[in-house]
Amino acid sequence: GQQVMQIPQYQHVQEGEDFTTYCNSSTTLSNIQWYKQRPGGHPVFLIQLVKSGEVKKQKRLTFQFGEAKKNSSLHITATQTTDVGTYFCAVSGYSSASKIIFGSGTRLSIRP
Amino acid sequence: DAGITQSPRYKITETGRQVTLMCHQTWSHSYMFWYRQDLGHGLRLIYYSAAADITDKGEVPDGYVVSRSKTENFPLTLESATRSQTSVYFCASQVGTTYNEQFFGPGTRLTVL
Repeated sequence: GQQVMQIPQYQHVQEGEDFTTYCNSSTTLSNIQWYKQRPGGHPVFLIQLVKSGEVKKQKRLTFQFGEAKKNSSLHITATQTTDVGTYFCAVSGYSSASKIIFGSGTRLSIRP
Repeated sequence: DAGITQSPRYKITETGRQVTLMCHQTWSHSYMFWYRQDLGHGLRLIYYSAAADITDKGEVPDGYVVSRSKTENFPLTLESATRSQTSVYFCASQVGTTYNEQFFGPGTRLTVL
């Protein structure tokens, strides 16, 4: 069945450093979403990527979808303390568009 | 206000008891989902529903029962709670499958003693 691996599991950075999390699937994806969950909170949708090779930016966040639609990345430039939280990718395959599988998440912590 | 709510927010129960977690959304979204979140496992899909009276299993459905008689409600029942079902449970809703933005409720923290 659908499997998705997210790395790294944890990342601890100095404020101002960059951060990247990666999501890799065993099968071709129809689309991928990214979510952020603050400590003690619930996941909040950030973005959806659909097209092969797609790149989208939201201020300091850059999202990429691989050419083969099997991997994706989220890059944060010059982290701030407000970026603290866990970042999840969520994928759905072509066989079941409504069954969404979440990656295990990357927990970002920041030294001020 | 429109949104997605869950109740109770916290629940402590004993092994073997039946527990029902409630989820209510005011957007009339077609899709609704139940996830559990445990350390090291991220969010795992328990059940989902594409519309009223249409439900389907996710990754970890064993020990859970769902129903959806009305579009806005999607209760999750643990028929006989076990310690392994101690977790944080999130309900989510989604308009359809063209755009997969999910809106999450605040979560229910369930402890089974």
